[in-house]
Amino acid sequence: SAVISQKPSRDICQRGTSLTIQCQVDSQVTMMFWYRQQPGQSLTLIATANQGSEATYESGFVIDKFPISRPNLTFSTLTVSNMSPEDSSIYLCSVGGGNTGELFFGEGSRLTVL
Amino acid sequence: KQEVTQIPAALSVPEGENLVLNCSFTDSAIYNLQWFRQDPGKGLTSLLLIQSSQREQTSGRLNASLDKSSGRSTLYIAASQPGDSATYLCAVLTSGSRLTFGEGTQLTVNP
Repeated sequence: SAVISQKPSRDICQRGTSLTIQCQVDSQVTMMFWYRQQPGQSLTLIATANQGSEATYESGFVIDKFPISRPNLTFSTLTVSNMSPEDSSIYLCSVGGGNTGELFFGEGSRLTVL
Repeated sequence: KQEVTQIPAALSVPEGENLVLNCSFTDSAIYNLQWFRQDPGKGLTSLLLIQSSQREQTSGRLNASLDKSSGRSTLYIAASQPGDSATYLCAVLTSGSRLTFGEGTQLTVNP
């Protein structure tokens, strides 16, 4: 299994500001995934981040709103830009566990936008 | 497009009961199915992973089954405890490493 650390664990943000969430993994991984979980709902994949290439975004998510960095095989960041109350969610980082295809998640970053 | 449905949406049981959570998916071309547990405001904890070639997996009081042809999985929890109270999510992995989640079953086990 992988140990995934996310920062911040929670934050309260003002409308129009941007926040960067960090994800650190205790081992090298090829693919990292960013998910959003809006209040009372299940998880939706935002994008897949591979080291050394541009992130691949899912339908409904764009790079200008959710820029992602993947500088090395153990770290990634997700920025939520120009936030509005609709961006209030838990944002989760996930990595795959090798050949089994098992996925592991961080503790999540709970953002509240006022 | 893969769709995952979980029934029931919420379940409340007395301590000690055995219970079954259901998950169904529309596209049987999956690589695996994973059950997760989520405590309020927290991340996801992986409980069980079933590969597409497997029929079931067991871990302690948990047993998960998979019937890929009919697009169904069940999570069986034996002798439930108040500490089992959480939301249980199932997710299927399809091509492109895309994980599709169900809406979850919110379980409450009453002392």
